Amino acid sequence: NAGVTQTPKFQVLKTGQSMTLQCAQDMNHNSMYWYRQDPGMGLRLIYYSASEGTTDKGEVPNGYNVSRLNKREFSLRLESAAPSQTSVYFCASRLPGQGVYGYTFGSGTRLTVV
Amino acid sequence: AQSVTQLGSHVSVSEGALVLLRCNYSSSVPPYLFWYVQYPNQGLQLLLKYTSAATLVKGINGFEAEFKKSETSFHLTKPSAHMSDAAEYFCAVSEGSSNTGKLIFGQGTTLQVKP
Repeated sequence: NAGVTQTPKFQVLKTGQSMTLQCAQDMNHNSMYWYRQDPGMGLRLIYYSASEGTTDKGEVPNGYNVSRLNKREFSLRLESAAPSQTSVYFCASRLPGQGVYGYTFGSGTRLTVV
Repeated sequence: AQSVTQLGSHVSVSEGALVLLRCNYSSSVPPYLFWYVQYPNQGLQLLLKYTSAATLVKGINGFEAEFKKSETSFHLTKPSAHMSDAAEYFCAVSEGSSNTGKLIFGQGTTLQVKP
């Protein structure tokens, strides 16, 4: 089915380890986003890519890096994981000018840093 | 800067009762407003959206929301709660004319439905 696919679904890391969260969409969307969800704080934007070849910081970018590999894929990297990065991470995408239609979200990656 | 405030982190209603989830926003430009629902261990699903057309918006599963510019509110309602409505609900705002399309989310409201 068309949509946004995130891998892995679950991950446990030790403090200081690195990992990359993968996101891919097959809807030919231009814009992609990474959010983190924490209890009582809703979803907060980490990074976004308005179009292929561009990336910009969101509300909470510290400790993360991103790569817009091509139009389909947008990865999120934790270089040195910290317990404060324990969260649920969501990737989303949309077409330009699709503010009226909202986003399509992936099913999330649950990350625990111990 | 845009922001969204959801009043009440937890709301509990009896099955068959009215559901009212409150959302207030601030935006310096005409906003686009959204309600999303998240069921346990799942992603977010769009319930409904306001895009400067009709102020009363109907969504899926019997939910609706009314945009009130004078009150900067976009409250979500459902006349009769069902057990399957138990979930977390998020209000979100987007700058409608912005090319970045960033969504700003509220803190979320967990809806409990009691039998």
